[in-house]
Amino acid sequence: GQQLNQSPQSMFIQEGEDVSMNCTSSSIFNTWLWYKQDPGEGPVLLIALYKAGELTSNGRLTAQFGITRKDSFLNISASIPSDVGIYFCAGQMGNSGNTPLVFGKGTRLSVIA
Amino acid sequence: DAGVIQSPRHEVTEMGQEVTLRCKPISGHDYLFWYRQTMMRGLELLIYFNNNVPIDDSGMPEDRFSAKMPNASFSTLKIQPSEPRDSAVYFCASSLAGQDYEGTQYFGPGTRLLVL
Repeated sequence: GQQLNQSPQSMFIQEGEDVSMNCTSSSIFNTWLWYKQDPGEGPVLLIALYKAGELTSNGRLTAQFGITRKDSFLNISASIPSDVGIYFCAGQMGNSGNTPLVFGKGTRLSVIA
Repeated sequence: DAGVIQSPRHEVTEMGQEVTLRCKPISGHDYLFWYRQTMMRGLELLIYFNNNVPIDDSGMPEDRFSAKMPNASFSTLKIQPSEPRDSAVYFCASSLAGQDYEGTQYFGPGTRLLVL
């Protein structure tokens, strides 16, 4: 089946540092999404990308959809303790919520105060 | 809005027992997805419904798994008989498919299943 390769698997950073994680796929997706999962909770959508080359920001978060539609990155600037969690990239064939998500394995982020 | 509701939040059972997981999607949403999360395989789709009709169940591991959606506000995922390898976190998500670039999938808090 389809798989997304997400890296790094884990990161330990100091509070205030910037963070970057990325995701690649052998398949083309029409939509790329980035989710965050806190312990004991379900994934929560952070950013959705719909167009190749699109660069989108949400507060301290910035994500880009690769022009080949096979990759994406997520940057977090000036990290804070509440950024701790697992970040997942997800690809979707459709442009709306009606197709399943294919997830990466996640990046576990730890922030040291 | 209450969000997606799942029950139970935790389930511990013995091998061979029947397990039923429940999901109440966000009111008005017409798509419902069941995903499973394990350390080895990450988050994977099991099955999804549109307007209560199963669309794709190719992710269901085997015949021991079954899912139903008798109405727009309720879905169940049943495992019978359960096995230790079924231990995982099971998520339900719902969405409202509309115009392009809309329709975020909202996830419930998950059911953590442990089969002994």
